[in-house]
This record gives sequence, structure tokens and C-alpha cells, in this order.
Amino acid sequence: DAGVTQSPTHLIKTRGQHVTLRCSPISGHKSVSWYQQVLGQGPQFIFQYYEKEERGRGNFPDRFSARQFPNYSSELNVNALLLGDSALYLCASSLRGGQGLYEQYFGPGTRLTVT
Amino acid sequence: GENVGLHLPTLSVQEGDNSIINCAYSNSASDYFIWYKQESGKGPQFIIDIRSNMDKRQGQRVTVLLNKTVKHLSLQIAATQPGDSAVYFCAGSSGGYQKVTFGIGTKLQVIP
Repeated sequence: DAGVTQSPTHLIKTRGQHVTLRCSPISGHKSVSWYQQVLGQGPQFIFQYYEKEERGRGNFPDRFSARQFPNYSSELNVNALLLGDSALYLCASSLRGGQGLYEQYFGPGTRLTVT
Repeated sequence: GENVGLHLPTLSVQEGDNSIINCAYSNSASDYFIWYKQESGKGPQFIIDIRSNMDKRQGQRVTVLLNKTVKHLSLQIAATQPGDSAVYFCAGSSGGYQKVTFGIGTKLQVIP
């Protein structure tokens, strides 16, 4: 079975631009979480979606938004890009979300570079 | 929120020796802890987890110990192998996977 897939693999954008990152969870998984990992640091939680609803949000500005589609895939959108948004964006899927303790499986990430 | 950190940024061990990676946390409300392994160019990979009502949990070649009194977590890897070389993160959450907070990470280098 395929694991979590993310696209694109790498992306270069200019300050002020908008970016959309995509994630397909493992088949059967209904929860998707997004993380930002700056070089040399641990991943930071951005969002969790379960059954197409936002179930958790980290300390990120409103420039960051996400959504989950009926097929449980997800998009992360970032507006008005800043240099500091350069990072590896990770998507993780789990069988369920919310209060349950369900193991997360991470994708390989999308490397975003803002110039 | 959760604040999870690590004592040592880099750990070098001889192949075959045991490795111990430590982690401290500050949020007493954390009820679930996870260890992840991240190899270069890949996303984090789940290793083992432990609930706050447990002190110890064992997996294949790995053991996680939790000391809630001093808010300390450790990952023990037995008979460390070259394939264990990676960055290891501890992470914590309260209320399940709604918001998992990662520590800084420890780089484990296995010397052949």
C-alpha cells in the first residue's frame, strides 16, 4: 500500500506569492495533520483535520489555511509568503483524529524555499 | 502548550553499544509521548509511544522510560546499528493527536 504522498517535492517561490501544498493520506485514514519543520528544528504543528473539519490549530498566522476534501486529501495554503516560511512542510495521516490516540504516519514532505 | 526539549543535540555511540536519548518536558498536562526517528530527506517515523499512566514500554530493541516526577523521558536503543543513525525527536501531546509538540531533536551517530 502507498504511504502518505505529498506534492510537489520541492518548490521555490518569491516573497509575497501564494503557495498550495497537497497531501494524500494513507487509504482508509480520515485525519490529516500539517507540520512545518525549519532546518535544524523539530516539526511544529500547524493544523489537524478530521472528517473535513478543523480539529486543531497551532500558533501560525492567518496567512496559513488548510482544507480537507471528501476523499480525505488535504491542501495547505500559505499567502503573502515571507522568507521565514522557507521550511519542510510535512503531512501526517492517521486513522482517526480528535481525542483518540492513533499513530501518525508522515509523508516525505515538501521543501519550500522563499526567495 | 507543550514544551518538549532534549538534553544532548548529538550522541555518538559505537556499533553494538546501547544508546540512551533523553528528553525533558514542561507541560504536566501531557498524557501521551511519542518517539520519532527522522532520516535525512524523509519524514519522521514512529518508533514507540507511551501513555502518562505508564512508566516503561518496550518494543523491538527499543525501550521508552517515563519519569513523571521529574518530567523526563528517555529512549533506549539496544545493540545500536548503523541503520539507527538519524535524528530522534521526542514529542508530547495532551488529549491525543490534536496537537503534537516536538522537541528539538538529537542526532545519533553510530560509529562502525
